[in-house]
Amino acid sequence: AQSVTQLGSHVSVSEGALVLLRCNYSSSVPPYLFWYVQYPNQGLQLLLKYTSAATLVKGINGFEAEFKKSETSFHLTKPSAHMSDAAEYFCAVSLLTGGGNKLTFGTGTQLKVEL
Amino acid sequence: KAGVTQTPRYLIKTRGQQVTLSCSPISGHRSVSWYQQTPGQGLQFLFEYFSETQRNKGNFPGRFSGRQFSNSRSEMNVSTLELGDSALYLCASSTTGGNSYEQYFGPGTRLTVT
Repeated sequence: AQSVTQLGSHVSVSEGALVLLRCNYSSSVPPYLFWYVQYPNQGLQLLLKYTSAATLVKGINGFEAEFKKSETSFHLTKPSAHMSDAAEYFCAVSLLTGGGNKLTFGTGTQLKVEL
Repeated sequence: KAGVTQTPRYLIKTRGQQVTLSCSPISGHRSVSWYQQTPGQGLQFLFEYFSETQRNKGNFPGRFSGRQFSNSRSEMNVSTLELGDSALYLCASSTTGGNSYEQYFGPGTRLTVT
C-alpha cells in the first residue's frame, strides 16, 4: 500500500529563514507525489508535483521539493519564509486504481512564521 | 477558467437527517473526487466519479453515496447523519484522472451535525 509520512505536525520558523517540511513515502511502484497547501477556511491548493520527469521540482510561491529515491523522501523547501506562508501543508501520494486517481495524504504540517 | 465550486459552503444538520452536497468541476474536467477532512482522521478519500460512473471508493459506510451528472457536476449524499460526520467535505476535479493528473480542490463544505 502506498502511504506518506510527514515528520513534525508543527514547524515554526522566523521570517526570512529556510523552510523545510519533511515527507517520506512508501510505495511499491514509482510514485507520483504532490504537495498541497491549505489556508484557514479554504480548500487545498497545489504547490507542486513530482511525476518522474525531474527530481528537483519547482512550484508556486518559491517552493521546491526534491525527490530522493534512495531516502524515499520528498521534502518541501523554501529559501526564505514569508509571513504569508503560514498555513498547513500536506504531502500526498497518488494511487492509480481502477483507472482513476486516489490521493493518500499525510497528516499535515502546520507552518508558523514568526517575526 | 473558473475553479471548482462547492455549495453550500456551510451547513448545520441534526443527527439522523440526510444531506446533499454539490460540486461543479473545472470546465473540461471529467473526474470528480470527494474527500472528508476531520481533525482526528485527517484527509480521507471518499469516492471518485468519472463519466457518471463511480470508479473508486474509499472505506466509508454505505450511508455515504454520490453521483455524477452528464455535465460532470457531482453530488454526494450522507444519510442518517451522525455526530462524527461533522467535517469539511472537499471536492476535487481533474482532467481524465490517472497518476499524472493533479487534482484541483474546491473551497469545501463545512458540515456540522448537532
